[in-house]
Formats: sequence, C-alpha cells, structure tokens
Amino acid sequence: KAGVTQTPRYLIKTRGQQVTLSCSPISGHRSVSWYQQTPGQGLQFLFEYFSETQRNKGNFPGRFSGRQFSNSRSEMNVSTLELGDSALYLCASSPGQGEKLFFGSGTQLSVL
Amino acid sequence: GDSVTQMEGPVTLSEEAFLTINCTYTATGYPSLFWYVQYPGEGLQLLLKATKADDKGSNKGFEATYRKETTSFHLEKGSVQVSDSAVYFCALSDFDEGAQKLVFGQGTRLTINP
Repeated sequence: KAGVTQTPRYLIKTRGQQVTLSCSPISGHRSVSWYQQTPGQGLQFLFEYFSETQRNKGNFPGRFSGRQFSNSRSEMNVSTLELGDSALYLCASSPGQGEKLFFGSGTQLSVL
Repeated sequence: GDSVTQMEGPVTLSEEAFLTINCTYTATGYPSLFWYVQYPGEGLQLLLKATKADDKGSNKGFEATYRKETTSFHLEKGSVQVSDSAVYFCALSDFDEGAQKLVFGQGTRLTINP
C-alpha cells in the first residue's frame, strides 16, 4: 500500500505570493490533517478534514485554508505569504477517529 | 489548553548506553499518549502509544508507561544503537468535534556515537 504522498517536496516563494500544497492519503483513509513544523514553534496543528468537511482548525490566521476532495485528497493554501510561513508542512492520514496517524514526508516551504 | 513538555536536547550518547527522554503532559481529560520519531528528511513515524493509565507501549526496544499520577510518559531504551539517532516527539491526542488533534512536545534530538 502506498504511503501518504505530499507534493511538491520543496517550494520557494516570495513574500505576498500564495501557495498550494497537495496531499494524497493512504487508500481508504478518510481523515486528513495538516501540521506546520518550524524550529521555533515546533509542530502545530493546522486543520483536519473528514469526508470533505473541516472538523477542527488550529490557531492560525485566515490566510491558511484547506479543502478535501471526494477522493480524500487534500490541499492546503496559504495566501499573502510571510517570511514566518517558512516551514515544513506535514500531512497525515488515518482511517477515521481515534486511529493511528500516518505522516507524509512533508513539503518544505521557503518564503524569501 | 493541553500541553506536552519534553526534556530539552540535544542528547548525545554512546552506543549501548541506556536512554531516557522525559515527557510530562497537562490535559483536562484522559488523552492517549504517543512517541513519534523523525529521521532526517522524513515525516513522523509512530514509535509507540498508550491509551490509558498504566498502559505500557513498546516497539523496537523502546518502552514508555502512561503514568497518570505523575502525568508522565517517559521514553526508555536499554541499549541504543547508532540507527536510533533521530528527533523524538512526545504527543497527546485531543479530540474536538470528533476530530483528532495531536499536541506535540518540542522534540528531543538524539545522537548516538559508535
């Protein structure tokens, strides 16, 4: 079974631009969640989707948004990028509530 | 809100040494507790978990016991190997509106020298 796939692996953007990151969960998994990892703040929860519905959102500004498609694939979008948005963005999938999370390798975003 | 505190790193040990990484948590309910490991350039992998008080999680020689009385979940291994070099994260699960959210500690970088 293929693992969680995140694309692209690396991304370089400039301030003010917007970016879209993609995540393909493990086949059959309906829950997808996103985390931001930075050296200063560590790992922080962004949001979680289940069957195309956002069930929970972390404490991030409205510039961070996401969605989930009917095939469970998910995208997250960051608009009006700031230098502080430079981070490793990790996606995780699970079959459902209370299940083990499987993480992808992440997308490393650098904002210049 | 819920929080997790890990011992600060980095931690450097010699091969075959005994390892302990301390983890304590603050939570209003009875969360499940996890240790995740991150190897260079990779995402997180679940190392072990415990879902209730006095549960012991174990995997690959690592162990951790859910101690409700001390709100702790310390990671231990009797004899570490060079291949154990990685960053280790303690985490708890928090459910909100049916959605699982993990709250992570700050991570502990472990380096094992041959």
